[in-house]
Amino acid sequence: AQRVTQPEKLLSVFKGAPVELKCNYSYSGSPELFWYVQYSRQRLQLLLRHISRESIKGFTADLNKGETSFHLKKPFAQEEDSAMYYCALSGTSYGKLTFGQGTILTVHP
Amino acid sequence: SQTIHQWPATLVQPVGSPLSLECTVEGTSNPNLYWYRQAAGRGLQLLFYSVGIGQISSEVPQNLSASRPQDRQFILSSKKLLLSDSGFYLCAWLGRENTEAFFGQGTRLTVV
Repeated sequence: AQRVTQPEKLLSVFKGAPVELKCNYSYSGSPELFWYVQYSRQRLQLLLRHISRESIKGFTADLNKGETSFHLKKPFAQEEDSAMYYCALSGTSYGKLTFGQGTILTVHP
Repeated sequence: SQTIHQWPATLVQPVGSPLSLECTVEGTSNPNLYWYRQAAGRGLQLLFYSVGIGQISSEVPQNLSASRPQDRQFILSSKKLLLSDSGFYLCAWLGRENTEAFFGQGTRLTVV
């Protein structure tokens, strides 16, 4: 069975501080991993995916197969980064996603 | 461009009443469609998915059912709601050519 764990339900940082949202997964095959974000009053949307190896809005995430982790990082948090963040895994066919419980990030001025 | 519509945005229903949530997609054809639910204190859980008209797969046993009467229409239903059906319901679609899921605005269902 596949599982995604986000150990922090709430995370608060000050503007300009580094931020790391943790995500661990369990899956026997080769997973595809994603970070989705939901800003206030907006739809859940894709932030980044591990296969793209890109930086979006200053965020990066590296897939560590040895530690089965896909932590989301940003060196200098901004107030507009405040949102709900979900880590998700797609392992089987049909594009089904397994989500973590989500982390609410609050960036204080 | 592709868009996804989901309604209603909020719904308060008494226990034992029926439910019908509708989701439609525009600007694409033959998408994979999904219903997710977020219950209080839990992550998003996949309830149903569909790869084509009339094809429904259920991921968890529950009091709900889904139907896909048209290519771009996905309906979530219940004959008799339970208190435990309360939650935030999200419809999503996935194009055949990519791995990015697109979500509707969601429906906040409160069963009282």
